[in-house]
Amino acid sequence: GEDVEQSLFLSVREGDSSVINCTYTDSSSTYLYWYKQEPGAGLQLLTYIFSNMDMKQDQRLTVLLNKKDKHLSLRIADTQTGDSAIYFCAEKHQAGTALIFGKGTTLSVSS
Amino acid sequence: DAGVIQSPRHEVTEMGQEVTLRCKPISGHDYLFWYRQTMMRGLELLIYFNNNVPIDDSGMPEDRFSAKMPNASFSTLKIQPSEPRDSAVYFCASSLEVEGARGNEQFFGPGTRLTVL
Repeated sequence: GEDVEQSLFLSVREGDSSVINCTYTDSSSTYLYWYKQEPGAGLQLLTYIFSNMDMKQDQRLTVLLNKKDKHLSLRIADTQTGDSAIYFCAEKHQAGTALIFGKGTTLSVSS
Repeated sequence: DAGVIQSPRHEVTEMGQEVTLRCKPISGHDYLFWYRQTMMRGLELLIYFNNNVPIDDSGMPEDRFSAKMPNASFSTLKIQPSEPRDSAVYFCASSLEVEGARGNEQFFGPGTRLTVL
């Protein structure tokens, strides 16, 4: 069956790098996503990667995809207190299908 | 665009009462999703629609839950009768699904926090 696994908590100091990891089971996933949820708010798309890519960089964010191991990671460089939030990994097979979400990783950034 | 709009933002009701949650998707989006978020189970897909037609309702927990989308700009999620275990944050999301386009981003509403006493 389909399943997305993430660690539940990560604590880092301001200025350090954060790495949030995710594993998924469905090798036919076409799109893989990272969503961010701030307290009391809905989810916002942070970044995404197509399954035919290994890496994607967007300013402080780096997404790495290892298709062989079905492993996705999100690296946040120079983590700031404003990055404190819940980060969700999600997968999708193709356009017009639903996202499968992990349970989310709570990132806590201390100054 | 105002984004996905959900109402009410908070709902407190007593067990046995009917609850109706409302969602207005982003204009032009052809997919609408209802999710439920709890600490124990995380984010669960309840049902989704394409062009107002339900595509997959396998996530709807029981017959007490029903969802409708009478037109492209409005959807409801109804719980009747409500139970304390239905307490959760319910999110609506919409998207315009085009193969390859910005990963088919789903835009989420702010959610409705439901408390059933």
